[in-house]
Formats: sequence, structure tokens, C-alpha cells
Amino acid sequence: AQSVTQLDSQVPVFEEAPVELRCNYSSSVSVYLFWYVQYPNQGLQLLLKYLSGSTLVESINGFEAEFNKSQTSFHLRKPSVHISDTAEYFCAVTYGGATNKLIFGTGTLLAVQP
Amino acid sequence: DAGITQSPRHKVTETGTPVTLRCHQTENHRYMYWYRQDPGHGLRLIHYSYGVKDTDKGEVSDGYSVSRSKTEDFLLTLESATSSQTSVYFCAIRNVGGNEQYFGPGTRLTVT
Repeated sequence: AQSVTQLDSQVPVFEEAPVELRCNYSSSVSVYLFWYVQYPNQGLQLLLKYLSGSTLVESINGFEAEFNKSQTSFHLRKPSVHISDTAEYFCAVTYGGATNKLIFGTGTLLAVQP
Repeated sequence: DAGITQSPRHKVTETGTPVTLRCHQTENHRYMYWYRQDPGHGLRLIHYSYGVKDTDKGEVSDGYSVSRSKTEDFLLTLESATSSQTSVYFCAIRNVGGNEQYFGPGTRLTVT
């Protein structure tokens, strides 16, 4: 069965430090990859996506993720985090097709401390 | 903002009662999805729709049914609520030709 693994359930980090949130998926066939962010008591917001082309994708608020097909990974990075980045981050994959069902990881809570 | 609303936003109900959650969209998207979010599980797909009256099951569909009689509304019904259905429920939409999904604000359901 297709799956997404986020090994770290929680990542504590100090403000202005770099961070990496890890995501691995189970298949090397053609995939579309996403990172969603969920702030407390809110819905999920699309942070960034990889559909095709350049393997490095960026968001408007300084996050980036790199698609690595050989390692079946899509890790999320930010060189310097802010308190406002505190949220839960979900990695998701779809293999396309008519229904395009999303498969989610279990989430990583990024806790930024002053 | 993908023009998605969910109602109610919060509900407390008793075991054995039927419950219906509503997802409403204003932008004529063809594809709609219902997920539940639980700690340690991420989001799991309950049911989805690929058009009016066209629906199919997801990975955790037992105990749930859906209906879509018009493009803008996708209803999720818990036939007889159980405590295991206490969760946060999210609706999502997808454009034809697109791969990303956009989510509504969620409904927090507590079954006592």
C-alpha cells in the first residue's frame, strides 16, 4: 500500500535556527508531492507543491523542499525559523489519476522557541 | 481562499444519533473530498465525489455515507454516531486538471 512517512512527530527548534522536516514516500513511480501547514485550530493550507520540473520548490514565506526521486524523499527546510512558523506540517502524495486521492503523513509539529 | 465553508463548525452529539455535516463550495469545482483528522494518523480519506451523484469510498468509509445532489454541496452522514467517530472532519476540493487540494476550515465533532 502507498504510504507517507514523517519520522519526527515533533521538532523543537530555537528562533532563527535552521530546520528540516523529513518526509519519505513509498513508491518511486510518478508522484505529485505537497506540504501543508496547519496553524492551531485552523484548516490546512497548501505550503508548496512539486508537480514536475525543477526538483527544488519554494514557498513565499521562505520554506523550500527538494524532490529526491532516488531516495523517495521530499524534505522541507527553512534556513531561519520564526515564532510564527510554529504549526503542524503535513507531507502528502498523490499518484494522480482521475480521483487523485491524497495520502498524508502523520504530521510534524514544529515548535519554535524564543 | 477556495470558497469552501463547512457547517456546523462544532457539534456535540450522543452515541447512536445520526449526524450530517455539510460542505459548501462557491466555485463549481468538480471534485470534493471528506477527510477525518486524528492524532497520530494525519488525515484519512472517508469518501470523495467526482461529480453530481458520483461518489466513491475512501480508506475509512465504514459508518459513513455521502450525498452530492448538486455541484456546490457535499454532505457527510454518520448513520449512527459512535465515540470512535469523534474527530475533526475536513472537506476539500480540487480543480479539473489540477493535482492539489484545498481545504475547508473543518468541523469538530464530539460523540459522547
